Amino acid sequence: NAGVTQTPKFQVLKTGQSMTLQCAQDMNHEYMSWYRQDPGMGLRLIHYSVGAGITDQGEVPNGYNVSRSTTEDFPLRLLSAAPSQTSVYFCASSVDSYEQYFGPGTRLTVT
Amino acid sequence: AQSVTQPDIHITVSEGASLELRCNYSYGATPYLFWYVQSPGQGLQLLLKYFSGDTLVQGIKGFEAEFKRSQSSFNLRKPSVHWSDAAEYFCAVGLNYGGSQGNLIFGKGTKLSVKP
Repeated sequence: NAGVTQTPKFQVLKTGQSMTLQCAQDMNHEYMSWYRQDPGMGLRLIHYSVGAGITDQGEVPNGYNVSRSTTEDFPLRLLSAAPSQTSVYFCASSVDSYEQYFGPGTRLTVT
Repeated sequence: AQSVTQPDIHITVSEGASLELRCNYSYGATPYLFWYVQSPGQGLQLLLKYFSGDTLVQGIKGFEAEFKRSQSSFNLRKPSVHWSDAAEYFCAVGLNYGGSQGNLIFGKGTKLSVKP
């Protein structure tokens, strides 16, 4: 079992481009979430989902969209990338116990 | 609002010395508390967690943490640090109410360096 997987590992975008960060888990977890990590800021919650078809905003949702059509997948979409979205993005999943399992991250640079 | 404070941005200890990383939280209800570790270029790994019961919890890699409600603290300790413990450590509070159930609030992290 692979746990939480994220693709791509690295990505460079130009301002205004769009892209989707992929996240998948094979643990049958209902809860999935996206965080961004910036130097000196810790991790901040972008969006989360408590099950297929249910999503909600976290602390820093602006500029990002999510959907959850299956239990396994939780993609994060950047509609029009901005330099302020340069960050490392982590996807996580968990059962109800709050013990979140994190993916390896995607390092995104927007020029 | 809920918050987590890690007062030390960077700590350096000698290999074999003891370690204590501080974490204070602000939360209106009984908190769920976590410590995660992040090695360079890696994702986060759960070290230990506190939900209820015994206030001294044991984790992986020889770490332990003590929940002190009166001080709103959840400090991480290790009696003897190894060079492989060099990493960044994050304390987190788990929200356990309503629609936000399961969300984590992270501190800003403490970077640990280990001297030979």
